Amino acid sequence: GQNIDQPTEMTATEGAIVQINCTYQTSGFNGLFWYQQHAGEAPTFLSYNVLDGLEEKGRFSSFLSRSKGYSYLLLKELQMKDSASYLCAVSDASGGSYIPTFGRGTSLIVHP
Amino acid sequence: DGGITQSPKYLFRKEGQNVTLSCEQNLNHDAMYWYRQDPGQGLRLIYYSQIVNDFQKGDIAEGYSVSREKKESFPLTVTSAQKNPTAFYLCASSFGNNEKLFFGSGTQLSVL
Repeated sequence: GQNIDQPTEMTATEGAIVQINCTYQTSGFNGLFWYQQHAGEAPTFLSYNVLDGLEEKGRFSSFLSRSKGYSYLLLKELQMKDSASYLCAVSDASGGSYIPTFGRGTSLIVHP
Repeated sequence: DGGITQSPKYLFRKEGQNVTLSCEQNLNHDAMYWYRQDPGQGLRLIYYSQIVNDFQKGDIAEGYSVSREKKESFPLTVTSAQKNPTAFYLCASSFGNNEKLFFGSGTQLSVL
């Protein structure tokens, strides 16, 4: 099984930087995904990490440490439209299916 | 435009009634998934299918059934055996194992 932990809620100010952490325990780690979900809408893919290190994509970056079972999503130059839920999902190869398991999500509120 | 379509957007179920949620994709994806999302919870896997005419139970399959007769379609039936069906249901698809998921816009199911 897997255990994925994220903070429930975070608040930040427009223009600032925020880091959303995700820790996981899994027996057959095979990659970690981050998705963004606005209220009442479908999640959309943000990033994928399978090797240690930082992946940068515009204002968003994602970091992975496999030895620590830890990832974070870094959002820079925050905008009001970044207010959303951010979902961490871990792919586990131990069962042979690689189906991602999702954390509970972190609700980010951006204030003016 | 290619995409994944869920219908209806809102659905109401009466006691003892079965209801079917539609999910269609024209992305030529092999894998399709059904997730359930409750407030404050992450996405929980109901069923998934990695190839036509084959599907597997997820973590919370009881009270649900699916079929995969065509590559493009993966309907979910919420049966009367599901005693707490009120939730937001998300369908997703991917090219294959360990690939990013593309989500439909979701169906909100409520009990009358």
